[in-house]
Amino acid sequence: QQQVKQSPQSLIVQKGGIPIINCAYENTAFDYFPWYQQFPGKGPALLIAIRPDVSEKKEGRFTISFNKSAKQFSLHIMDSQPGDSATYFCAVIFLFGNEKLTFGTGTRLTIIP
Amino acid sequence: DARVTQTPRHKVTEMGQEVTMRCQPILGHNTVFWYRQTMMQGLELLAYFRNRAPLDDSGMPKDRFSAEMPDATLATLKIQPSEPRDSAVYFCASGFKAGGPAEQFFGPGTRLTVL
Repeated sequence: QQQVKQSPQSLIVQKGGIPIINCAYENTAFDYFPWYQQFPGKGPALLIAIRPDVSEKKEGRFTISFNKSAKQFSLHIMDSQPGDSATYFCAVIFLFGNEKLTFGTGTRLTIIP
Repeated sequence: DARVTQTPRHKVTEMGQEVTMRCQPILGHNTVFWYRQTMMQGLELLAYFRNRAPLDDSGMPKDRFSAEMPDATLATLKIQPSEPRDSAVYFCASGFKAGGPAEQFFGPGTRLTVL
């Protein structure tokens, strides 16, 4: 059972464009929604995270949009740069449960100059 | 610059051999996680510890995998005997849990190849 579905699998965007990565989850008990960025040969690193009591969170060029009723959340990267080329994973977690991070399948993002 | 360290970074072994992976969590963190990443399964949690006590190892094949924290500065993941299907990148992550969300800081991973 896939608890979080991520799309697209890969994405190519021109520099300055706004890539959007989407995730949908099943269990309404999840209460923390982080996004991770992973460069080749490195471990994932937390990029930005949101709680379900807000609909949007912005940190620098990265924005999470959260739609609780639709059980969906998305990552937007403003003014994308070639250095943003990486694999992005959404994740879900029960904050006060077993703290298990369940990851989406990942999106390989390429920003072309 | 506090970071999670993992050794070895790469390991090639033959089927049936024992493999031990080590992790040094960030000093002061009270929670340690072990994840496995493969192309087919993606990132999946194997086990995690709080204050050195195992809290959840439901993601780990019990017959061949074992995870321990001999002390607060060392976590180990052992596979005995190893099989080709264990080939993956194994990540350790640590965090500090104190009521709110514990950000998980990942190490660089151990790339395991079982021939």
